[in-house]
Amino acid sequence: EPEVTQTPSHQVTQMGQEVILRCVPISNHLYFYWYRQILGQKVEFLVSFYNNEISEKSEIFDDQFSVERPDGSNFTLKIRSTKLEDSAMYFCASSEYTGGRNEQFFGPGTRLTVL
Amino acid sequence: GEDVEQSLFLSVREGDSSVINCTYTDSSSTYLYWYKQEPGAGLQLLTYIFSNMDMKQDQRLTVLLNKKDKHLSLRIADTQTGDSAIYFCAEASNTGGFKTIFGAGTRLFVKA
Repeated sequence: EPEVTQTPSHQVTQMGQEVILRCVPISNHLYFYWYRQILGQKVEFLVSFYNNEISEKSEIFDDQFSVERPDGSNFTLKIRSTKLEDSAMYFCASSEYTGGRNEQFFGPGTRLTVL
Repeated sequence: GEDVEQSLFLSVREGDSSVINCTYTDSSSTYLYWYKQEPGAGLQLLTYIFSNMDMKQDQRLTVLLNKKDKHLSLRIADTQTGDSAIYFCAEASNTGGFKTIFGAGTRLFVKA
């Protein structure tokens, strides 16, 4: 069964460093998403992406964040200069279409730890 | 702003029914979802309901929606130990970006 994959599973970085979290969405999906979950808190929407541009973003997704689909398979989230409060589990998701059921398939997540 | 609230913990005996409740604030919500998260795994969509429906049944799962009170519930019949997980309520509006708002999750513990 096709699935969303994410790498790495755990990333440790120093405050101020740049990190890139990688996702491979399901191959025929056209819509891509990033969410994050700070330990013990809610899953929070960050951004949605379609047709090589951002469709919607939350207040969390400030200038420190960017997304890219560098090739036909990967979808990346870059955090330019990490802060301690960026420590969280980051989930990538993809879906075939918006509207209708819009089932978003989630990856297993990348745990980001900022020291 | 939009918000989704749910109780954090539920404990039931194997074979009993579990009912997980959720309230949401966005009256323009079009879709309401229940996701399941097992340890170390991503979020798995269990079931969903459109806002123009009151009830949906899918095998052991029953979703009830009270749109007036903005209350959503998930009933799991004949709960099994394999149902132990965190269950997330979520809502989305049919805006261009399909932003989905999640609750904090209810941890279901099933006692054998």
